[in-house]
Amino acid sequence: DGGITQSPKYLFRKEGQNVTLSCEQNLNHDAMYWYRQDPGQGLRLIYYSQIVNDFQKGDIAEGYSVSREKKESFPLTVTSAQKNPTAFYLCATRDRYTEAFFGQGTRLTVV
Amino acid sequence: KQEVTQIPAALSVPEGENLVLNCSFTDSAIYNLQWFRQDPGKGLTSLLLIQSSQREQTSGRLNASLDKSSGRSTLYIAASQPGDSATYLCAVRPEHSYDKVIFGPGTSLSVIP
Repeated sequence: DGGITQSPKYLFRKEGQNVTLSCEQNLNHDAMYWYRQDPGQGLRLIYYSQIVNDFQKGDIAEGYSVSREKKESFPLTVTSAQKNPTAFYLCATRDRYTEAFFGQGTRLTVV
Repeated sequence: KQEVTQIPAALSVPEGENLVLNCSFTDSAIYNLQWFRQDPGKGLTSLLLIQSSQREQTSGRLNASLDKSSGRSTLYIAASQPGDSATYLCAVRPEHSYDKVIFGPGTSLSVIP
């Protein structure tokens, strides 16, 4: 069953803690993306990667880090430097026709 | 700077009604435009993708049009059903910033039985 798997679905972070959100895809797409969604706002791009071992900052990269060691995986780490991390995080891929596909999201809450 | 807006922010209609959702963008230099559906607490599901050279795309009860020169796209939903209740987002892919898709804030649709 092809698709994008994000885990966990819900994540709670304590102050000063780093947490990592997982994104795995079996669509064989080269490009992968991380977005943040806040209530009443459109999605904002955090990081994206077009090929393995390469990634670029999006519009709101501060306080986040990523890696792309495998084509299938693009994990996002929310560091303690991100002062307002509570949000819904979405991972996406893009096929060669430039259509975007999304995972089911991870809701991160600071406790 | 490309900006995408969607009007209205929320819409409530009785079941069976035809409806139109609007998406506007400020820069006509786009590669394509995509409409998505998002159910509460879920990811985005792609509905229709319109390339810049196309005027419209259809899928079942959905029809999306694109007028690049005026910076507008509409999503037409025929014979609405309660299951259509969701948030609908449009997104444009700029020609000169290929990977930085710009999303609108969405229209929250409620179809009343």
